[in-house]
Amino acid sequence: GQNIDQPTEMTATEGAIVQINCTYQTSGFNGLFWYQQHAGEAPTFLSYNVLDGLEEKGRFSSFLSRSKGYSYLLLKELQMKDSASYLCAATDSNYQLIWGAGTKLIIKP
Amino acid sequence: IAGITQAPTSQILAAGRRMTLRCTQDMRHNAMYWYRQDLGLGLRLIHYSNTAGTTGKGEVPDGYSVSRANTDDFPLTLASAVPSQTSVYFCASSDSGTSSYNEQFFGPGTRLTVL
Repeated sequence: GQNIDQPTEMTATEGAIVQINCTYQTSGFNGLFWYQQHAGEAPTFLSYNVLDGLEEKGRFSSFLSRSKGYSYLLLKELQMKDSASYLCAATDSNYQLIWGAGTKLIIKP
Repeated sequence: IAGITQAPTSQILAAGRRMTLRCTQDMRHNAMYWYRQDLGLGLRLIHYSNTAGTTGKGEVPDGYSVSRANTDDFPLTLASAVPSQTSVYFCASSDSGTSSYNEQFFGPGTRLTVL
């Protein structure tokens, strides 16, 4: 079966760094996406990885290891506005996105 | 304004009633999708369309139907609503549904309650 696992909830302090992990198991693999979703809003695109390694985009970075079926999203210099859910999604052999349940990130002052 | 619009924003519906959720995009994207999002579960694909005139079933298609008469519109119909269809429904689109880079853009969602 196809499965995406990520922690349900994480708490971090404003100004700190947090790493959100995601493991995936899909029939075929064509890349991994991270999306951000604020409460009551639509998901919005953060990053995409298809090759092993780290992709950096400002305060956010995403890492992929295809051999381990593992990715993480790294958020630096946390701000209160980063309080949101972070969704991991893997693209399967049919190019469909398989979504994790999301990690709710709570930022404390 | 470029993007995806959905209507209605929210709806309370009696069980057994028929309901159509509307979705329109103006980005000329080929692919469109309908998801439902329930607490504690990931986004689950209901139906998709890789191009106008074609549709496909996702993970949870039962009780739902779609049509794709043109590029811009992708309505979702609940023929006879049941309480288990209470959910938040998101419409999304992407430039291509048949490539590895499948960045999807989401509408604001429709919150549906079936009583």
